[in-house]
Amino acid sequence: EPEVTQTPSHQVTQMGQEVILRCVPISNHLYFYWYRQILGQKVEFLVSFYNNEISEKSEIFDDQFSVERPDGSNFTLKIRSTKLEDSAMYFCASTLAGGPGEQFFGPGTRLTVL
Amino acid sequence: QKEVEQDPGPLSVPEGAIVSLNCTYSNSAFQYFMWYRQYSRKGPELLMYTYSSGNKEDGRFTAQVDKSSKYISLFIRDSQPSDSATYLCAMSAGGNKLVFGAGTILRVKS
Repeated sequence: EPEVTQTPSHQVTQMGQEVILRCVPISNHLYFYWYRQILGQKVEFLVSFYNNEISEKSEIFDDQFSVERPDGSNFTLKIRSTKLEDSAMYFCASTLAGGPGEQFFGPGTRLTVL
Repeated sequence: QKEVEQDPGPLSVPEGAIVSLNCTYSNSAFQYFMWYRQYSRKGPELLMYTYSSGNKEDGRFTAQVDKSSKYISLFIRDSQPSDSATYLCAMSAGGNKLVFGAGTILRVKS
């Protein structure tokens, strides 16, 4: 069964460093998302991406964040200068069609900022 | 009032019990309703997806939506220890963004 994959599973970084989280969405999917879940809190929407453009973003997704689809298979989230409060699980998701359709989530990357 | 409210539990039931999980919401624009299951340190896994009001059944799972009361439910029949997980409700007004509840921890004891 096709699935969303994410690397690395755990990333530890120092405050102020840049990190890139990687995702490989399901191969025929066209819409891609990033969510985050701070420990003990809700899953929160960050951004949606379609046709090489951001289609929607939350207030969390400020100038420190960027997304990119550098090739036909990868989808990345970059955090330019990490803060302690960026420590969270980051989930990538993908769907075939836009809107609130069946979003399939990856296993997540645990980001720890020291 | 929070946009989506969900009792965090934990909810502990014996094997074979019927489980009822619930969410309330305040945003009347929500039209799409989902239930996800999340095992520890894993990503959410879609269980049920419904549009507007009514019931939807899939095996041991039944999702109910009551838009007039802004209330959704997930029922699990004949619960199994493998059902032990966190259950997340999620909603959308039609755009790309899903709004999640806090999740209910379910423990099914054998």
